Amino acid sequence: EADIYQTPRYLVIGTGKKITLECSQTMGHDKMYWYQQDPGMELHLIHYSYGVNSTEKGDLSSESTVSRIRTEHFPLTLESARPSHTSQYLCASSEARAQNYGYTFGSGTRLTVV
Amino acid sequence: AQSVTQLGSHVSVSEGALVLLRCNYSSSVPPYLFWYVQYPNQGLQLLLKYTSAATLVKGINGFEAEFKKSETSFHLTKPSAHMSDAAEYFCAVSASSSASKIIFGSGTRLSIRP
Repeated sequence: EADIYQTPRYLVIGTGKKITLECSQTMGHDKMYWYQQDPGMELHLIHYSYGVNSTEKGDLSSESTVSRIRTEHFPLTLESARPSHTSQYLCASSEARAQNYGYTFGSGTRLTVV
Repeated sequence: AQSVTQLGSHVSVSEGALVLLRCNYSSSVPPYLFWYVQYPNQGLQLLLKYTSAATLVKGINGFEAEFKKSETSFHLTKPSAHMSDAAEYFCAVSASSSASKIIFGSGTRLSIRP
């Protein structure tokens, strides 16, 4: 039973289009994260948030942007999609003390830009 | 600062054989350690975690891991591999600070031969 939801699961879109990947969680977690995962498996943190109106860039530079207007919602937006954005995007959330409980992940959005 | 190294990007074992996935960590403070599993086109699922209680940690699906401070290791094992264990496995580390993020290894792909 998923407590963190990502939509869409799969998306194929043309170059130059604006897209928003949705992520919502029902656990009341303060912390939320976006990871980009390429076919080589490695996870790259691209954005994170420790609460409402708080967003930070992650370790990997990304052309995407995020917002955190509500605790449960952490959407990721690409203003102009490019083929280099083709990847799997994973959203995760955690309680304040993430080190004790780990992260809960959504099922991911696989994005293909043609 | 924390980091993890997963030895072997791809491990292949026969069905019924022992599974051993290696993980070494680096941490300047007592670590929290995690193993996650990712099935195709899915997010990551927590297998088990070490949070300074028992050094031998049992997880789901018959997996377990042993924290060895002297070796800075947290290897994942399963006595008898099943075809359904084929997936990607990620080791991760976090520090005890509430501001600490979880750092993921680069992953190990486990294949099971019939």
